Amino acid sequence: DVKVTQSSRYLVKRTGEKVFLECVQDMDHENMFWYRQDPGLGLRLIYFSYDVKMKEKGDIPEGYSVSREKKERFSLILESASTNQTSMYLCASSPPTGSSNQPQHFGDGTRLSIL
Amino acid sequence: LAKTTQPISMDSYEGQEVNITCSHNNIATNDYITWYQQFPSQGPRFIIQGYKTKVTNEVASLFIPADRKSSTLSLPRVSLSDTAVYYCLVGVLNTGFQKLVFGTGTRLLVSP
Repeated sequence: DVKVTQSSRYLVKRTGEKVFLECVQDMDHENMFWYRQDPGLGLRLIYFSYDVKMKEKGDIPEGYSVSREKKERFSLILESASTNQTSMYLCASSPPTGSSNQPQHFGDGTRLSIL
Repeated sequence: LAKTTQPISMDSYEGQEVNITCSHNNIATNDYITWYQQFPSQGPRFIIQGYKTKVTNEVASLFIPADRKSSTLSLPRVSLSDTAVYYCLVGVLNTGFQKLVFGTGTRLLVSP
């Protein structure tokens, strides 16, 4: 069974801090994703990566960056945290896209609060 | 980019069939339709995916009309454990090009 593990379930940081959210998957998936989930807005894609050191911007990349140095690990970085980045962050992975979209496997999320 | 619209909430009783519809009027030719289920404090979990017509698996059916402008997730004989938020996802993922649009979710409450 695919397991996507996010390093923290809850995180509290201060405005202006540099914040790292870590995600590890154990199924050798090529694709990895970072979403944020907010009430009334559903899930919005921040970044995705289709291979080591490769990344693509999603719908809301502003204020975020990502790092993928190893296939199993995908990090989301808040360069200078702001209160409007308080949210639930979800990581996901999937096999490479072939003739159809591959289902994504999600972690259980990190609830980040920026004070 | 496809925009998806779902009802905010639905109520049902145990044993009933539940149909949740997602509207995606500007779906593109290559887009797939995927449904996910999410319980509190957990990440979404894949339920079913389709491109056109009908798809059925052990937990649900997905109905997609010929124009593909909407899709309906059908849950047969729901139980209390089906209480969750259901999301439709429309889009396609290709290297160098992606457009994945989640709906805002439908909160399903199943009562005894």
